[in-house]
Parts: sequence; C-alpha cells; structure tokens
Amino acid sequence: EPEVTQTPSHQVTQMGQEVILRCVPISNHLYFYWYRQILGQKVEFLVSFYNNEISEKSEIFDDQFSVERPDGSNFTLKIRSTKLEDSAMYFCASSGTLAKNIQYFGAGTRLSVL
Amino acid sequence: DAKTTQPNSMESNEEEPVHLPCNHSTISGTDYIHWYRQLPSQGPEYVIHGLTSNVNNRMASLAIAEDRKSSTLILHRATLRDAAVYYCILRAMDTGRRALTFGSGTRLQVQP
Repeated sequence: EPEVTQTPSHQVTQMGQEVILRCVPISNHLYFYWYRQILGQKVEFLVSFYNNEISEKSEIFDDQFSVERPDGSNFTLKIRSTKLEDSAMYFCASSGTLAKNIQYFGAGTRLSVL
Repeated sequence: DAKTTQPNSMESNEEEPVHLPCNHSTISGTDYIHWYRQLPSQGPEYVIHGLTSNVNNRMASLAIAEDRKSSTLILHRATLRDAAVYYCILRAMDTGRRALTFGSGTRLQVQP
C-alpha cells in the first residue's frame, strides 16, 4: 500500500540553526500538508500546498517557516532559525482528490531543539 | 469550523465491540464527519467518513444520527492494536479549506 515517507525520523539541532524536514508524499497525490504535535498536545495544522503554492497556512506558520516541492517527489519544510518551542513531532500528509480529501500521514519527524 | 465534543477516554475489552461517540450539534449541511485515529508514536490515520448515511469499511462502521448532530464510530471487535486516540473531525465540503482541525479526541484503552 502506498505510504507517505518522512526523513529523518529524529532530528536534533541547536537553537538558531536551520533544519529541513523531508517528506515523500504518495506519488499521484496533489495536495500536501504539514502538521505538528508538541508532546502531549493536539495535532496542529501548519500549511497546505497545492499546484506549487501555499493554499492555506495557520498562525503558527510564520516567516521562519517555508515549504518547497523541489522536484516531482519531495516536499520539504524548512525552519530557518529554530527555537526551543519548535521542538515537536512534525507530520507530513498528502491527499489525492479534493472531494474526499482523505489525508494520508507519514510517521513523523521528531525535532528536538537544544 | 463546527466544533465536536468527545469523551476524553474510554476502555474496552479485547474482542468486544466499542462505540465511540461524538457530538457536533452545530454541524452544517455540507460538513462531512471524518474519523481519524493516532496509534502511539505514529501519525494520524484515516478511519472512515460520512455525510448522512451510515458507512461501513474494513476498519469500522460510522453511525450518523438522523439530525446529524451526533455520530458514533463502531469498532466491531476491538483488538489491542486498536488502542489509540480517536478524533472526530468535521470537514466542510470543498470550501477550499483543506486543513484538518484536530481536537483532543478520545483515548481508547483496550484490555486483554
């Protein structure tokens, strides 16, 4: 069964450093998303991406965040200057059709900012 | 987005049916009812969705009240692997808003 793949599974970084989280969505999907989940808290939407541009973003997704689909398969989330409070699980998701919009999630990347 | 209300936690015994309730009294006519679950240390996983009629798939059944103000996710025979947080999410049909809004969900514990 097709799945969303995220790498790395765990990323440790120093505060102020840039990180790039990588995702390979399901191959024929058109919509891509990033969510995050701080330990013990709810899953929070960050951004959605369609047709090579951001279609929606939350208040969390400020100027420190950016997304890119650099080629036909990868979808990345960049955090320019990490803060301690960016420590969380980051989930990538993709969906294939607008009507159903069933989102398929990856296993996540645990980001630890020290 | 319309709000959903779910119990914080529920317990079940293995191989018994589980009924997970969700109240959504402010649901609009074009809102779909989606259920996702999140197993420990994993990403959310789609379970089922519906609009008005009851729905069945290989994972579960979704029973929707006639007035659509509540719904129930039914796991017919709980297994230990079904221990997870279950989220009931309303999603507007094709409004251009494509995010899923997760609440706190119901933590299901399954006892052997």
